[in-house]
Amino acid sequence: ETGVTQTPRHLVMGMTNKKSLKCEQHLGHNAMYWYKQSAKKPLELMFVYNFKEQTENNSVPSRFSPECPNSSHLFLHLHTLQPEDSALYLCASSLGLAQQETQYFGPGTRLLVL
Amino acid sequence: GDSVTQMEGPVTLSEEAFLTINCTYTATGYPSLFWYVQYPGEGLQLLLKATKADDKGSNKGFEATYRKETTSFHLEKGSVQVSDSAVYFCALIRMDSSYKLIFGSGTRLLVRP
Repeated sequence: ETGVTQTPRHLVMGMTNKKSLKCEQHLGHNAMYWYKQSAKKPLELMFVYNFKEQTENNSVPSRFSPECPNSSHLFLHLHTLQPEDSALYLCASSLGLAQQETQYFGPGTRLLVL
Repeated sequence: GDSVTQMEGPVTLSEEAFLTINCTYTATGYPSLFWYVQYPGEGLQLLLKATKADDKGSNKGFEATYRKETTSFHLEKGSVQVSDSAVYFCALIRMDSSYKLIFGSGTRLLVRP
């Protein structure tokens, strides 16, 4: 149990659907992250939030829209996705953004776009 | 740009065999280096880390030494168990980026009884 939960664990959606991924951390952390894990590619950092403020958008297409209403919750709103967006989406959190802070990962949401 | 290169898997070993998973990196300055492990159906967990040259990170019988001269951070374990079957990721954080993990592509380890 890492203290970071993600829902749903699996999601299938069509290209015209709108869906949201949810992440919740129970660790009292202040920073939260979204990563994308595609088959045979390294994990890619997508977004970073610190104290609810976005500090990084790693050139992510606008069809991915993050939301961080408080330090414990992070959402990723999805709309008009493409089949190549199918991947495992991982959420992580850390106490802060200092280099020595360990990032704790959730189990991920496996997304399939048809 | 900065990058991490890992040996391609899968690596298949018998129980109690010696494990080495190679990792080399390219980065400016003095990055911190990490090994993460991903068990089936779970997220990534930090396995060990090293923050400066010649540091040795260790955890659960796994070890890795930060070798600046060879820009390497190879993961080793003297005697693997079936429960070690997982995907292992090498990663770095540059000193000036503080939190941006750069991952290798992962190496799948399969340990057979």
